[in-house]
Amino acid sequence: EAGVVQSPRYKIIEKKQPVAFWCNPISGHNTLYWYRQNLGQGPELLIRYENEEAVDDSQLPKDRFSAERLKGVDSTLKIQPAELGDSAVYLCASSRTSNEQFFGPGTRLTVL
Amino acid sequence: GQQVMQIPQYQHVQEGEDFTTYCNSSTTLSNIQWYKQRPGGHPVFLIQLVKSGEVKKQKRLTFQFGEAKKNSSLHITATQTTDVGTYFCAAAVDSNYQLIWGAGTKLIIKP
Repeated sequence: EAGVVQSPRYKIIEKKQPVAFWCNPISGHNTLYWYRQNLGQGPELLIRYENEEAVDDSQLPKDRFSAERLKGVDSTLKIQPAELGDSAVYLCASSRTSNEQFFGPGTRLTVL
Repeated sequence: GQQVMQIPQYQHVQEGEDFTTYCNSSTTLSNIQWYKQRPGGHPVFLIQLVKSGEVKKQKRLTFQFGEAKKNSSLHITATQTTDVGTYFCAAAVDSNYQLIWGAGTKLIIKP
């Protein structure tokens, strides 16, 4: 079984530029999560999807962050414009139910 | 918002010594999950505890869920270098299955 795929693995941008991350969850997993993880901290949920529906986006900074999961499979997370404080690892995870989550390798974002 | 307190933040041990990390919540939890994140890696699921007072073992790892379902612990017996990493608890507080993550405990093996 292929794992959660994320791209790119690394991204360096200047502040005020846009950036997008892509996630392909494990086949058959209806639930998809986007997390942000700062160094030395636990993952912080940004948004959770059940199929195409965003069921929890309370922690998503909606002024600059957006996400979509068209067709209930792949998902993209976008930041526009990026700020210095957005530097972090962005993790995507998926699960078949609301139990065990499988994480992708993450995208390490550096905003200069 | 709701928080899960995880302690300690770091634990330095000699190889062969034991390691324990604790998670505490002020509210009753629906269930709690434990994950391990190796340096430079991503979190990997270890186990889920659901029942009050539940104890589960995986080789040298022992997981406990408190009777009141407000706290949990992970204990590693006789640590090995392969145990190095950060251990996170992630707690579900209601049927909505939103997970609240602890800050993690970093296990460091002294050379």
